[in-house]
Amino acid sequence: QKEVEQNSGPLSVPEGAIASLNCTYSDRGSQSFFWYRQYSGKSPELIMSIYSNGDKEDGRFTAQLNKASQYVSLLIRDSQPSDSATYLCAVRKGNYGGSQGNLIFGKGTKLSVKP
Amino acid sequence: GAVVSQHPSRVICKSGTSVKIECRSLDFQATTMFWYRQFPKQSLMLMATSNEGSKATYEQGVEKDKFLINHASLTLSTLTVTSAHPEDSSFYICSAMDRYGYTFGSGTRLTVV
Repeated sequence: QKEVEQNSGPLSVPEGAIASLNCTYSDRGSQSFFWYRQYSGKSPELIMSIYSNGDKEDGRFTAQLNKASQYVSLLIRDSQPSDSATYLCAVRKGNYGGSQGNLIFGKGTKLSVKP
Repeated sequence: GAVVSQHPSRVICKSGTSVKIECRSLDFQATTMFWYRQFPKQSLMLMATSNEGSKATYEQGVEKDKFLINHASLTLSTLTVTSAHPEDSSFYICSAMDRYGYTFGSGTRLTVV
């Protein structure tokens, strides 16, 4: 089982619609969860972080975390063509050998917002 | 917010030569820096974790003698790809932990010809 799994997509939504991105993780001890957006050829940029069960909203973005189900999601409301990118889910593992504090990334979901 | 400056952004080198990539934390002290590699249409894979003043910790399967990491100060970490080969062509990205979370450098596109 992969540590962080995402549907690779592509996910295509019309402009103005809600885009829903999902992620599951395998390590129950994970404490911190992040969503990054990556445009082609660029490095990831942080969209949101979430640490507690429930929803966290920031503008058009809402992150949802369910630790019991080991599931984290990102909703993008009023999707815009500029939101077209690959969205990476990342999970921070606890102290683990020599890699304390590093992020484990999913493969990413490619989102396409059609005008 | 925190800024990590990474350069060069793009480099082309001949097979067998070495390439050095630098990452600097501009407005904070980065005691820990992470180095990732990303192949086309793949996710970021952690290569190594560097801590200021100590040896880097490499992930399984990453050759420490090939990918030399130096974290000599709280604001500078370098990755040197030694004796580069075409299969080392990839997108290399550094990341540092700051009080806000993780900040990424802009990445280095390495092409070995």
